[in-house]
Amino acid sequence: EIVLTQSPGTLSLSPGERATLSCWASQGVRGSQLAWYQQKPGQAPRLLIYGASSRATGIPDRFSGSGSGTDFTLTISRLEPEDFAVYYCQQYGSSPLVTFGGGTTVEIK
Amino acid sequence: EVLLVESGGDLVQPGGSLRLSCAASGFTFRTYEMNWVRQAPGKGLEWLSYISGSGTTIFYADSVKGRFTISRDNAENSLYLQMHSLRVEDTAVYYCARGLQGLIFDHWGQGTRVTVSS
Repeated sequence: EIVLTQSPGTLSLSPGERATLSCWASQGVRGSQLAWYQQKPGQAPRLLIYGASSRATGIPDRFSGSGSGTDFTLTISRLEPEDFAVYYCQQYGSSPLVTFGGGTTVEIK
Repeated sequence: EVLLVESGGDLVQPGGSLRLSCAASGFTFRTYEMNWVRQAPGKGLEWLSYISGSGTTIFYADSVKGRFTISRDNAENSLYLQMHSLRVEDTAVYYCARGLQGLIFDHWGQGTRVTVSS
């Protein structure tokens, strides 16, 4: 069973800074089937990245994903005020079919 | 515009049942796989169930297998989650989510709150 561990738990940064979020899988994620979501308080999650590195429709290019196997990264090149939120990684297609990481909170420093 | 609107959440006693609905619009519902995902208060996301566009293929998370049933009515553009034997730990906001390539959730509803408590 694949377990996803996100690091750090909380990231304190200022607008304009670069954010690097990590997601480690306990086993290799098949076919780089990994997605990233953003969730703001009181809102549903929003898909950012799928297939480890493909941006979803309408997602700004300051968001990028990379990685394969067991190590994945979400990078926000320059934080905008609206980017402060919780971010989740998700693997799909392995066993179990879907697993989410515990989340990383990006907060304003 | 893709729109997913959940309903049916309520306060229910342990052991009780509830049926959630998700009304879809803005896309050709029958051609998309659909999912239910939940989020307990202050916690992360948990995928619950998947159903193919035709409704013939269904998967469940172990945590709800045998208690929850997913279904859909393509004529009504609606997705359902029938929940039985509810437990306190089922307390959560329940989201329906459209599947991009099945298990990538590209559009979400606003969620409906289920509280299981005596």
